[in-house]
Amino acid sequence: DIQLTQSPPSLSASVGDRVTITCQASENIGNYFSWYQLKVGEAPKPLIYGASSLQSGVPLRFSAYRLGTQYSLSINNVQPEDSAIYFCQQTLNIPITFGQGTRLDIK
Amino acid sequence: QVHLQESGPGLVKSSQTLSLNCAVSGDSINTGAYYWSWVRQTAGQGLEWIGRVYSTGRTAYNPSLQSRVTVSMDTSKRHFSLRLTSVTAADTAMYYCATQDRANSGRFDFWGQGILVTVSS
Repeated sequence: DIQLTQSPPSLSASVGDRVTITCQASENIGNYFSWYQLKVGEAPKPLIYGASSLQSGVPLRFSAYRLGTQYSLSINNVQPEDSAIYFCQQTLNIPITFGQGTRLDIK
Repeated sequence: QVHLQESGPGLVKSSQTLSLNCAVSGDSINTGAYYWSWVRQTAGQGLEWIGRVYSTGRTAYNPSLQSRVTVSMDTSKRHFSLRLTSVTAADTAMYYCATQDRANSGRFDFWGQGILVTVSS
């Protein structure tokens, strides 16, 4: 299975901060990579697909890039509504796998 | 735009079979654009992909669950289903149905709200 090592497990930020979450893939997965936001009681929300393409309707303060097998999600100007758990995902190989998640708390 | 809604019992006894349905609206379940998928989130754990079905009936499963899981679709009833046999407490989780785009790097576009299933002893 392709492993996705996500870090940090949690982080705390103030409104207006910039935060970055990373995922390291255990092998080359190209751009078969996505990021999701998960809030309690809500459907998971896709944020990024193809490693760096913003899903329609997602605020422009979200961005992502890929460097080899390392993938990063950044949130500029963090807002209170960004409090959530963020997951990365690879869809190149079966089984599809996810990172362990990053909990973002807003101070 | 696809809308998905999970349904099924919220409580299943250990060793029995978990059965969930996912109602599809907004697009045809026969569309070849998606794989129809199931994902779960266990307490304290991340997300785990369970399996998927395509409009042709072709399926794919997570090897960790393959011996116990079946994903199927009923096009006439516009839903697809998950069946997980011989459940244990480790199968207690929030279960989501979702579409996986066959293009666009396989992104999971649309998700249901999820249904919490607890396995009791």
